[in-house]
Amino acid sequence: AQSVTQPDIHITVSEGASLELRCNYSYGATPYLFWYVQSPGQGLQLLLKYFSGDTLVQGIKGFEAEFKRSQSSFNLRKPSVHWSDAAEYFCAVGDTGFQKLVFGTGTRLLVSP
Amino acid sequence: DAGVIQSPRHEVTEMGQEVTLRCKPISGHDYLFWYRQTMMRGLELLIYFNNNVPIDDSGMPEDRFSAKMPNASFSTLKIQPSEPRDSAVYFCASTTPANYGYTFGSGTRLTVV
Repeated sequence: AQSVTQPDIHITVSEGASLELRCNYSYGATPYLFWYVQSPGQGLQLLLKYFSGDTLVQGIKGFEAEFKRSQSSFNLRKPSVHWSDAAEYFCAVGDTGFQKLVFGTGTRLLVSP
Repeated sequence: DAGVIQSPRHEVTEMGQEVTLRCKPISGHDYLFWYRQTMMRGLELLIYFNNNVPIDDSGMPEDRFSAKMPNASFSTLKIQPSEPRDSAVYFCASTTPANYGYTFGSGTRLTVV
């Protein structure tokens, strides 16, 4: 069965500093991988996705993620964090992009001045 | 495009009452998903539909929960009778095979007292 692990429950980053959020997945074949962001009281917004091709994918809001098959990882990165990036971030994996996705437990990002 | 529309945004009800949550997917999206989000269990897939037909309801916690999709533009999730442990945020999401990844609604925060 598919599973996703986000090992960090909370991360605090200074504004302007770089960010990396970790995601490890368990899946037998090449997975469809996603990162979503959830601001307080809001639904989840898709940041970026990977399903084939270049293993470094660019998303919205200046985020990128790199698929590493050997490490079963799909870590999310941003070179310079803004206070507005404070939110909860979810990694997800699926058989396809349009059927059931399994979500990780989320990482809450706090941005300090 | 108005996005995925859920109603109500907040619902407070007494234990034992019937609760109906509503969702309007994005026009043209033929997959619809209901998720539940709690602090303890994170995001759980309850059920999903394809072309108005339920495909996988294995996540529906018990017989008190039921979901319907009478047409392509409307779905309901009903809880009868409701219990305090049903308190959660319920999200609806939709997509189509041409997309990868879901579009989520803003959710319904349900509180059962």
